Amino acid sequence: RKEVEQDPGPFNVPEGATVAFNCTYSNSASQSFFWYRQDCRKEPKLLMSVYSSGNEDGRFTAQLNRASQYISLLIRDSKLSDSATYLCVVNDMRFGAGTRLTVKP
Amino acid sequence: DVKVTQSSRYLVKRTGEKVFLECVQDMDHENMFWYRQDPGLGLRLIYFSYDVKMKEKGDIPEGYSVSREKKERFSLILESASTNQTSMYLCASSPMSRGGNEQFFGPGTRLTVL
Repeated sequence: RKEVEQDPGPFNVPEGATVAFNCTYSNSASQSFFWYRQDCRKEPKLLMSVYSSGNEDGRFTAQLNRASQYISLLIRDSKLSDSATYLCVVNDMRFGAGTRLTVKP
Repeated sequence: DVKVTQSSRYLVKRTGEKVFLECVQDMDHENMFWYRQDPGLGLRLIYFSYDVKMKEKGDIPEGYSVSREKKERFSLILESASTNQTSMYLCASSPMSRGGNEQFFGPGTRLTVL
C-alpha cells in the first residue's frame, strides 16, 4: 500500500463551484501535512499547511482527520486560475500522486 | 526569496553514460532532497540530506547516488543511465526547524535516456 494516496481525478468543474479533494495516509504516526499546488510544467509550491484544528485561507480550507487518516482540501467559489494539480504531502517528503483540477468557464 | 537552481532544464543522455544533476540553493537550508516525477506516480523520493556529507536513502534509491560536499549544493548521480531513468528530476530544500517544513523546489531537469 502506498504511504500517501490521492484520487487522481481529473476533476472538471464550472467556475464558482465548490470542490473537495481527499488524501489518505498509511502511517498513523505521521506528524506534518501539507497541500502543494503544481501548475503545468512548473515546480510544486506550497499552498497551505494542514493543522490538527483545521485551517482556512480565503477560499481554501484544509482539514485533518487523524482517526480516519486522511486530509482534505476544500476550494470554494472556484476560479479559472485554480486549475492545477494539487499534491498532498505527509511528513514533509511523502507526496501523493496529485489530483488534477480543471475549472471551466 | 528562496532560490533553488538546477544545472539543466533538459538533458539527453545515452544508455550507460554517467549523469550528474546539480542543485544549488541560496537560503542556507540544512535539508535537501531529490525526487523524480512520472505521470500517475507523483513525486517519489530518491535521496535526501540533512547536513553536509550526510545522505539518506529515500523510497527509490536504486541506480542513483548523491553527493553533498557543501551545504548549498546537492548532486544526484546516475552511475550508468538506463532508459527507465527517463523522467523529470526535481530538487528541493527546506530549513531545519521543529514541526513541518515547507520545501522549495527547483524548476526541474527533464532527463531523456536513449
